[in-house]
Amino acid sequence: EVQLVESGGGLVQPGGSLRLSCAASGFTVSSNYMSWVRQAPGKGLEWVSVIYSGGSTYYADSVKGRFTISRDNSKNTLYLQMNSLRAEDTAVYYCARGVDVFDYWGQGTLVTVSS
Amino acid sequence: NFMLTQPHSVSESPGKTVTISCTRSSGSIASNYVQWYQQRPGSSPTTVIYEDNQRPSGVPDRFSGSIDSSSNSASLTISGLKTEDEADYYCQSYDSSNQVFGGGTKLTVL
Repeated sequence: EVQLVESGGGLVQPGGSLRLSCAASGFTVSSNYMSWVRQAPGKGLEWVSVIYSGGSTYYADSVKGRFTISRDNSKNTLYLQMNSLRAEDTAVYYCARGVDVFDYWGQGTLVTVSS
Repeated sequence: NFMLTQPHSVSESPGKTVTISCTRSSGSIASNYVQWYQQRPGSSPTTVIYEDNQRPSGVPDRFSGSIDSSSNSASLTISGLKTEDEADYYCQSYDSSNQVFGGGTKLTVL
């Protein structure tokens, strides 16, 4: 059974950093495209980043230069390093398998950027 | 970049059929597949339609998807509405450099 479990969210001050993790089971992260998608409170879905099976990475313009997606193949885990956080980054962050089609989603982890 | 526009909300009675539209602002709707996701309150999104009209296993055949090049839009149709279908529905597509979600449609089954 495919499962994605995010962790690492919390309250952080503007300008701070946070690293999110997404532990996968039931499939191999490194053999798949893996994405992060976020949802601000009461708002819609916004794609954030993707890492391809070959290792290439891409970002939404809103986070380019501040966020870094990576993976640890030995732990079958996806990461999102978030730096220079802003209030508008406040959202539930979901990891999802895929890029053009997101077929499995995690339960999400809440990131709140506030002083 | 293009946008996907959905109605903010729709409502219909149990047993009826509802259609949710998703209009692409630029570029052809047929040039890239459209997906539809269901998000119940407090839950993660789940896929109900992928590649314009394909249903994942476990999704009932009451859910169907289509595209219309003349209106440059995609549609999600849910027939035989059940109260459990009450949720937010998001369309999603992409181009060479971006993944784009529609703003979401709140379906109320009353």
